[in-house]
Amino acid sequence: DAGVIQSPRHEVTEMGQEVTLRCKPISGHNSLFWYRQTMMRGLELLIYFNNNVPIDDSGMPEDRFSAKMPNASFSTLKIQPSEPRDSAVYFCASSPGTGGAETQYFGPGTRLLVL
Amino acid sequence: AQTVTQSQPEMSVQEAETVTLSCTYDTSESNYYLFWYKQPPSRQMILVIRQEAYKQQNATENRFSVNFQKAAKSFSLKISDSQLGDTAMYFCAFMPSFGANNLFFGTGTRLTVIP
Repeated sequence: DAGVIQSPRHEVTEMGQEVTLRCKPISGHNSLFWYRQTMMRGLELLIYFNNNVPIDDSGMPEDRFSAKMPNASFSTLKIQPSEPRDSAVYFCASSPGTGGAETQYFGPGTRLLVL
Repeated sequence: AQTVTQSQPEMSVQEAETVTLSCTYDTSESNYYLFWYKQPPSRQMILVIRQEAYKQQNATENRFSVNFQKAAKSFSLKISDSQLGDTAMYFCAFMPSFGANNLFFGTGTRLTVIP
């Protein structure tokens, strides 16, 4: 079985540019999570979808960040405009979403560098 | 709010020896789940082991086992017969059993296995 797939794996961009990160969850999983990992703040949840609906976006830093899940097999995290402080590793994770606390399976992450 | 504390930023162990990584957490809930994730240099987040708080028996997965002390809110990871491939960052994580399935992560422990 394919795991969670993220693209791109690495992204270097200049301040002010739009960045789009992509995620394909494990087939059949109904919950999807976006996390950000930085040295200063560690791993933190940005947003959580269940059945394609955003359930908790309280971790989204500000209006420059937006996330969508148009269908069960695809999600995007967009940063517009990007800033150097957005440099981080962004992880997507999915879980079955059948209820209760479930193990989350992580993708390989996207390493973003904003110059 | 849930907090997870890993008090050992770095540890090292000789190959084939045993090492224990500590984790404490703070919560007012009685039901929850605890996880250890491993992050090797590739940055992939890999599930190591999971423990349900309502289970008294400590979880084990091959060379990995936990010492779960619910009253003390302690959840340590023991790695037996350490192997070079165990070199990684190890993150302890907490998940409430109700509500959004957020994972709250500790700051991690960097483990180096010395040949």
